[in-house]
Amino acid sequence: AQSVTQLDSQVPVFEEAPVELRCNYSSSVSVYLFWYVQYPNQGLQLLLKYLSGSTLVKGINGFEAEFNKSQTSFHLRKPSVHISDTAEYFCAVLNNFNKFYFGSGTKLNVKP
Amino acid sequence: GAVVSQHPSWVICKSGTSVKIECRSLDFQATTMFWYRQFPKQSLMLMATSNEGSKATYEQGVEKDKFLINHASLTLSTLTVTSAHPEDSSFYICSSRQGETQYFGPGTRLLVL
Repeated sequence: AQSVTQLDSQVPVFEEAPVELRCNYSSSVSVYLFWYVQYPNQGLQLLLKYLSGSTLVKGINGFEAEFNKSQTSFHLRKPSVHISDTAEYFCAVLNNFNKFYFGSGTKLNVKP
Repeated sequence: GAVVSQHPSWVICKSGTSVKIECRSLDFQATTMFWYRQFPKQSLMLMATSNEGSKATYEQGVEKDKFLINHASLTLSTLTVTSAHPEDSSFYICSSRQGETQYFGPGTRLLVL
């Protein structure tokens, strides 16, 4: 079965520092990859997605992610975070059986 | 991206009553919508897939008689929590897929007293 692993449940970081949120998935076939952000008491907002093409994907709010097929990873990065980036981030995979799988989420806490 | 709305955003009800949550796709027609449940500090759990004009497909362990889903039109799916109990208190989120991408509603917080 498909699985999505976000190893870090919480990531504390100071404002203006860089951050990387890790995501690994298990699959031997092609997948589509997504990162979503969830602010408190809100639904999920699409940050970025990888469907095909360039492995470096740029999203909203200055985030980017790199698809690494050999390491089955899709880590999310931002070179300089803001207080407003404090939220929970979910990695997701759509596999070739047309089913979405979510990671357990990483809570990003940006400190002043 | 596509816009999905949910109503209500908050609902508090007494134990034993039924609650209906609406999910609308505002700018595209959705033959399929998804209903998720999210417990505090946890990821989303897919409850069911709502299909326009036909019966919903429920995930294993989800009671279809407890969580009634109706997808009567291409823009509206409803989830009714019947005879709600305190353990049904949760955050319910719907989504719709456009191509390969899922777009989520803002969620409905249900509190059953």
